[in-house]
Amino acid sequence: EAGVTQSPTHLIKTRGQQATLRCSPISGHTSVYWYQQALGLGLQFLLWYDEGEERNRGNFPPRFSGRQFPNYSSELNVNALELEDSALYLCASSYDSSSYNEQFFGPGTRLTVL
Amino acid sequence: DQQVKQNSPSLSVQEGRISILNCDYTNSMFDYFLWYKKYPAEGPTFLISISSIKDKNEDGRFTVFLNKSAKHLSLHIVPSQPGDSAVYFCAASEANNAGNMLTFGGGTRLMVKP
Repeated sequence: EAGVTQSPTHLIKTRGQQATLRCSPISGHTSVYWYQQALGLGLQFLLWYDEGEERNRGNFPPRFSGRQFPNYSSELNVNALELEDSALYLCASSYDSSSYNEQFFGPGTRLTVL
Repeated sequence: DQQVKQNSPSLSVQEGRISILNCDYTNSMFDYFLWYKKYPAEGPTFLISISSIKDKNEDGRFTVFLNKSAKHLSLHIVPSQPGDSAVYFCAASEANNAGNMLTFGGGTRLMVKP
């Protein structure tokens, strides 16, 4: 069974540009989560989507947004990129939105903002 | 304010011995705890979880202990193997409140020496 996949593996952008990151959850999973791991910091929760709806968002500015498609895949969009947005962006999926479900992570997208 | 803390950034253990990784939390609303292992350039891999109604959960070489009164959990790996060398993250969620958003600790790098 395929795990969570993310694309691209690496993304290089310049300040002010927009970045789009993609995630495909494990087959059968409906919930998708996005996390940011900046250099030297732990994983910070960004967004949670379930059944096409945004369920929760972390303490990030509105220029971080996303969506979930009918096939449960997801996009994370980062507008007006800033240097400090350089980080590893991890996507995770879980079976559904019920409690006590472990999240399974993809390999991440390394975003570099120059 | 870090709600989940892993106070030891690194730990070195001899192969075959026990590895004990510790994690403290401050939010008394956390009721579900997970441990993840992360290799470089890969996403975190789920290891083991425990809900707040238990104080111990065991899966093969991995055991997680939860002390709710001390707001402390630990991961025991017995016996430790060189392949266990990785960064270990503990994570917590308010499964009954804020849904499945995970709050992560900063990680502990485990090095198992042959």
